[in-house]
Amino acid sequence: ETGVTQSPTHLIKTRGQQVTLRCSSQSGHNTVSWYQQALGQGPQFIFQYYREEENGRGNFPPRFSGLQFPNYSSELNVNALELDDSALYLCASSLGAGIQETQYFGPGTRLLVL
Amino acid sequence: GENVEQHPSTLSVQEGDSAVIKCTYSDSASNYFPWYKQELGKGPQLIIDIRSNVGEKKDQRIAVTLNKTAKHFSLHITETQPEDSAVYFCAASINSGYSTLTFGKGTMLLVSP
Repeated sequence: ETGVTQSPTHLIKTRGQQVTLRCSSQSGHNTVSWYQQALGQGPQFIFQYYREEENGRGNFPPRFSGLQFPNYSSELNVNALELDDSALYLCASSLGAGIQETQYFGPGTRLLVL
Repeated sequence: GENVEQHPSTLSVQEGDSAVIKCTYSDSASNYFPWYKQELGKGPQLIIDIRSNVGEKKDQRIAVTLNKTAKHFSLHITETQPEDSAVYFCAASINSGYSTLTFGKGTMLLVSP
């Protein structure tokens, strides 16, 4: 186990709704990255938070947003849900935001949009 | 941006055989290459990683090799066991000022007893 926890484990929403996913980073880690993993695919980078600031963003629309709190836990918010948002959402924590920092993943939240 | 290709998509071996998974990447500035194992219903688990100042790294039955000139890296698993069955992902770290990972599409490894 990595010490990275995510909640909830599963979630069902309908198109147009909003969702908030939560992640607690491993003790001592100040960086959280979020990834979307569609069925049968590798994870795709959404964004990264370092010391409460967004530190980088992948090719995802603005309706994907996030927060990082002083204890370095993080939230991923998705507005106006679309069917294609159905996926496993993973967060990963690391000691820092450097290029060679090892990222440790949580178990993920599986989101189904109907 | 970075693009990572991974082959094969599926790999079936007999217990005790070796398994090799290969990846290529496009961004010559990438210099960190982790491998993750993902079991059904779980998040990816880091099994080994390599940095560009090293050509090969071993950890018991697992080894990774890196050829920066050719921009490819490989995972080698020896003496495979049924519990090695999972999906394996290679990844490369983009040199964009922050530590994002670009993943391959994964290899489903099935080890038959």
